[in-house]
Amino acid sequence: QKEVEQDPGPLSVPEGAIVSLNCTYSNSAFQYFMWYRQYSRKGPELLMYTYSSGNKEDGRFTAQVDKSSKYISLFIRDSQPSDSATYLCAMSAAYGGATNKLIFGTGTLLAVQP
Amino acid sequence: DTGVSQDPRHKITKRGQNVTFRCDPISEHNRLYWYRQTLGQGPEFLTYFQNEAQLEKSRLLSDRFSAERPKGSFSTLEIQRTEQGDSAMYLCASSPARQETQYFGPGTRLLVL
Repeated sequence: QKEVEQDPGPLSVPEGAIVSLNCTYSNSAFQYFMWYRQYSRKGPELLMYTYSSGNKEDGRFTAQVDKSSKYISLFIRDSQPSDSATYLCAMSAAYGGATNKLIFGTGTLLAVQP
Repeated sequence: DTGVSQDPRHKITKRGQNVTFRCDPISEHNRLYWYRQTLGQGPEFLTYFQNEAQLEKSRLLSDRFSAERPKGSFSTLEIQRTEQGDSAMYLCASSPARQETQYFGPGTRLLVL
């Protein structure tokens, strides 16, 4: 079993829809949670960063973390064709002076249809 | 542009050849990471530098792989005697001290024929 599970999709939605992307994880030591957007043949771009449990909102994007359920979500409101990309969840554990390497999900391919 | 840069962006090589990739992190970031990403998968951690010290290497980093970060600035990743299984996107990321967010470069896409 992978440490981080993410539905690879593809997910196709009409323009203007609300998109929900999710990841589950097994390592209870994870404290830092991130969402990256990756366009085809490009490097991942940091979208959202959350520490521990709770919600964080930035424009059309909302990130939620539920540590009790080991479940994180990214919501995209008023989705646009330019949001079409692969969305990667990533997380890391925090130990004093440690690497804090990111563990990624496989990514969900999103297509927003005009 | 003040982001992470990587060179080359693409590399095609024949099996058995050596290749070297370069990463220039964001200037004030003392942490540098290398990841590898294959098609349909998320990036996988390869190695980590804090300043010039290489502090962790993944089991994915076989003896054919070596990474350096002289003087704690740019980093190089070398693959010796390349194999077809080395074909992937090699990503570099950097992070400032005491922060967890990592910023990625555009990647180097390697194809081994």
